[in-house]
Amino acid sequence: GAVVSQHPSWVICKSGTSVKIECRSLDFQATTMFWYRQFPKQSLMLMATSNEGSKATYEQGVEKDKFLINHASLTLSTLTVTSAHPEDSSFYICSASPLVDTQYFGPGTRLTVL
Amino acid sequence: KNQVEQSPQSLIILEGKNCTLQCNYTVSPFSNLRWYKQDTGRGPVSLTIMTFSENTKSNGRYTATLDADTKQSSLHITASQLSDSASYICVVRTGANNLFFGTGTRLTVIP
Repeated sequence: GAVVSQHPSWVICKSGTSVKIECRSLDFQATTMFWYRQFPKQSLMLMATSNEGSKATYEQGVEKDKFLINHASLTLSTLTVTSAHPEDSSFYICSASPLVDTQYFGPGTRLTVL
Repeated sequence: KNQVEQSPQSLIILEGKNCTLQCNYTVSPFSNLRWYKQDTGRGPVSLTIMTFSENTKSNGRYTATLDADTKQSSLHITASQLSDSASYICVVRTGANNLFFGTGTRLTVIP
């Protein structure tokens, strides 16, 4: 079956530092990858859609200069949280789409900013 | 306004019992509806997908129903197990390939 991995699975960082999260599709190519954020007891909220080789499309209210997305290949997308602050602490989940109406979710990355 | 509402917000049941989770949506135009299971600290895993013409679909002990006229879906879990404890999320896809997520139902199965 289709597998999407994320690395790291959890990270703790100091306020003001930057954190990079990787999302990989292990056994399929994904022209489109999605990044979500999930706060406790809430559902997933789409942050941005990234297409391989082009700039990401950000949802309203998501700062593109703070959440840098790079989709350099058909199997890898990265999300960099720049100058992280405690309010950025959340569960970040990516998904990869091999087909138009199919998404496979990664296991998520727990970010804690001290 | 496109919305997906789930009920109940949380549910506690005894192991071995059945339960039914509800999803009401106002999303249009409708393409398909998926039920996902999300274990704590993990990403969502798809359980079922239903298109406009499908009324019922089963996946093991999970049975999903869809009434496209009333825009309601349900997920029935039979003979619950402790491992069923998770959040169950209803996700509706539009014809323009936008996804709308429900807030989920938190199910706890106790021995």
